[in-house]
Amino acid sequence: AAGVIQSPRHLIKEKRETATLKCYPIPRHDTVYWYQQGPGQDPQFLISFYEKMQSDKGSIPDRFSAQQFSDYHSELNMSSLELGDSALYFCASSLAAGGPETQYFGPGTRLLVL
Amino acid sequence: AQRVTQPEKLLSVFKGAPVELKCNYSYSGSPELFWYVQYSRQRLQLLLRHISRESIKGFTADLNKGETSFHLKKPFAQEEDSAMYYCATYNQGGKLIFGQGTELSVKP
Repeated sequence: AAGVIQSPRHLIKEKRETATLKCYPIPRHDTVYWYQQGPGQDPQFLISFYEKMQSDKGSIPDRFSAQQFSDYHSELNMSSLELGDSALYFCASSLAAGGPETQYFGPGTRLLVL
Repeated sequence: AQRVTQPEKLLSVFKGAPVELKCNYSYSGSPELFWYVQYSRQRLQLLLRHISRESIKGFTADLNKGETSFHLKKPFAQEEDSAMYYCATYNQGGKLIFGQGTELSVKP
């Protein structure tokens, strides 16, 4: 069965550069969540989208923005990168059905800012 | 590779009944294990971690190395406990690896 796809899997950037991370949810899933996991830390929720609209917002810096497109894939845009942005970014997708729904996690994109 | 398994996809209990959500792990060393909870349409939240040995919202989880388990328990379930529960562990690269999740439904 198709799983959540993230690209790229690894990314190396320099300070002040820009990065774009992509998340392709499981087919027919309409909800996408983005998490940031720093080294040795728990995942921190960044932002989520439901039916192409932002549904929740967490500790996402103003330098970051995200959106969900008509095919439900989502992109996380990160500008003016800082060393502290080095982390694993993973997304999860689910099918909102009005009740608790299983979140399926992608493999993550490991970002290294030099 | 480290892995966690949650054998139950759905667990349905009545209010006031005891709850046990099962989690088994595969890891040869000393694992670091967590339970996360996701309430309806909300973000994933950390519920508890085994190293802190604390009780959150009446939930506890004990690491049993002999059985390689980290089951989540609560003596008296409440309706507001209805949610998705994920067991998780770290892999060698520091990435959090989640189990498949168990949906807990507490009926009145």
